[in-house]
Amino acid sequence: GAGVSQSPSNKVTEKGKDVELRCDPISGHTALYWYRQRLGQGLEFLIYFQGNSAPDKSGLPSDRFSAERTGESVSTLTIQRTQQEDSAVYLCASSSAILQGTDTQYFGPGTRLTVL
Amino acid sequence: RKEVEQDPGPFNVPEGATVAFNCTYSNSASQSFFWYRQDCRKEPKLLMSVYSSGNEDGRFTAQLNRASQYISLLIRDSKLSDSATYLCAVKLAGGFKTIFGAGTRLFVKA
Repeated sequence: GAGVSQSPSNKVTEKGKDVELRCDPISGHTALYWYRQRLGQGLEFLIYFQGNSAPDKSGLPSDRFSAERTGESVSTLTIQRTQQEDSAVYLCASSSAILQGTDTQYFGPGTRLTVL
Repeated sequence: RKEVEQDPGPFNVPEGATVAFNCTYSNSASQSFFWYRQDCRKEPKLLMSVYSSGNEDGRFTAQLNRASQYISLLIRDSKLSDSATYLCAVKLAGGFKTIFGAGTRLFVKA
């Protein structure tokens, strides 16, 4: 079946502009995660959704970052007033979360964001 | 101290070699452990979960040492195709947040 998809694959924007990144999880997966990966770095947890709720948004770096999920499906990560430090690959992952401790996360290909 | 730490490497090994990576974690309440593989400019993919009793999948063996708070990954008979970055990941009991290490780079050469 189809995997996790993300769009756009690449986004170049100017400092101060707002951007929206989209994630389409695997159908039926109730859990959805957003991560940020800077060049040469590991994955930085941003937010977790269970259904349409976000019980853990502790990783959002500032109030310029927000995310929502609708229909227990698509999620959008919004970054307002982008800064150069926001340049990174933003990865989305989904899981069936049947057994929360051992759920396998399936990652999308990511959106590469460049802020000029 | 980082919550999850890995030696960044790179590890340069010849084909056929055995190589081992360790990953240490700081939170003793961590319950679930994973190894992911990430190829250059690609998304991470789960390699294997790590169980308390240790587990093996072909040439790959993962082990957990709760007393010393580390997990390990052993790759036997390395192949050129094993060249990648290996990320360890840790989840707290009852939690949702997964903490990833920065990864260990492996280069297998002919």
